Amino acid sequence: QGQLVQSGAEVKKPGASVKVSCKASGYSFRSYAIHWVRQAPGQRLEWMGWINAGNGNTKYSQKFQDRVTITRDTSASTVYVELSSLRSEDTAVYYCTRDGGGGYYYGSGSWDYWGQGTLVTVSS
Amino acid sequence: DIQMTQSPSSLSASVGDRVAITCRASQSISKYLNWYQQKPGEAPKLLIYVASSLQSGVPSRFSGRGSGTDFTLTISSLQPEDFATYYCQQTHNTPPTFGQGTKVEIK
Repeated sequence: QGQLVQSGAEVKKPGASVKVSCKASGYSFRSYAIHWVRQAPGQRLEWMGWINAGNGNTKYSQKFQDRVTITRDTSASTVYVELSSLRSEDTAVYYCTRDGGGGYYYGSGSWDYWGQGTLVTVSS
Repeated sequence: DIQMTQSPSSLSASVGDRVAITCRASQSISKYLNWYQQKPGEAPKLLIYVASSLQSGVPSRFSGRGSGTDFTLTISSLQPEDFATYYCQQTHNTPPTFGQGTKVEIK
């Protein structure tokens, strides 16, 4: 059974950057894409981007294009998301989730495994 | 971006009730619609994918139907563990987008 385990909560000041990790286990890491999504308090889920864990290709939401970077370390079966120039509106729980495939095109499948979430708080 | 609209936004129901939640897309998404369940403090859980396929391990009281722009999630007999928020998600276009959620509460 696959599992995604994320790093712990973070508190950052406005203008800083944050990097959250997501360690995969129990499945073939390189064979699936990993998405990052976030959920601000009381809000719907918001997609940030994905990475092809096999070749490292990425695709980002236009909303975050200039501030987000998703990377992976295949030797550690770990994916990272880094968000820069943080502002208070970035306070949210950040989730990694595996794309289980079967979608219309690569990266458009359903999301079958989820990390436990990482709370990022941006406050001065 | 494709807008996803769920109705109702919340509902109150009793154990054993049949519950239906609808999701409408702002344009056709064929069958590329997923449903997730989220409980407070937890990550979402995949219930239904490509509109009507039941995810492994999900009870058969959950079912989905629809295509194009209109979709429905049905819980045939609500159980105590089903009180949660449900989200639809389209993956036909990038970016994937979610509905605003439907909170199912105990009556």
